[in-house]
Amino acid sequence: GENVEQHPSTLSVQEGDSAVIKCTYSDSASNYFPWYKQELGKGPQLIIDIRSNVGEKKDQRIAVTLNKTAKHFSLHITETQPEDSAVYFCAASFDSGYALNFGKGTSLLVTP
Amino acid sequence: DGGITQSPKYLFRKEGQNVTLSCEQNLNHDAMYWYRQDPGQGLRLIYYSQIVNDFQKGDIAEGYSVSREKKESFPLTVTSAQKNPTAFYLCASSILGLARGDEQFFGPGTRLTVL
Repeated sequence: GENVEQHPSTLSVQEGDSAVIKCTYSDSASNYFPWYKQELGKGPQLIIDIRSNVGEKKDQRIAVTLNKTAKHFSLHITETQPEDSAVYFCAASFDSGYALNFGKGTSLLVTP
Repeated sequence: DGGITQSPKYLFRKEGQNVTLSCEQNLNHDAMYWYRQDPGQGLRLIYYSQIVNDFQKGDIAEGYSVSREKKESFPLTVTSAQKNPTAFYLCASSILGLARGDEQFFGPGTRLTVL
């Protein structure tokens, strides 16, 4: 089955700096790659996603890049703010019909 | 106000007791899912359902059971056969089935503690 690896497990940046979280996946058939943000005690919320026919997608301060050849995708957050502090999860899925396969998460701390 | 609701937010049970977690959605979504989250771990799929009266096992279905009698409801029962039930349980739903890779919307979760 699909295996998603996520790094780093923890990340601390200063307010205003950029943060990058990287994920790799094992199944070349995967074609949908969402990123979720989870605040303490809450359910995850989708922040951005990308499909395999696109190499990059941006939404204000957030961007995701996908390298299908290398089977990795990354989340980029620019001009970080304290409210960006949360746990971020990457995931992958494929049309053959199974679940979203999640990475283990990255705990991001943005210090003022 | 559309969304996914899970109740209760916190649940305490004695070891050996079955317990049922509620999940309701008014988004008119076809598919519903149950995930388990442990500290420092990603989300792991327990069960999913694409249509009423049908559901499939996920990666860690042992010790759990579900039903899907109504489109908007997908309750999860944690049975006494589940060896380590203490965890954060998340319910999700999506418009289409898993095969389409569409966005999954998550509920607020239920934290189950078995004493």
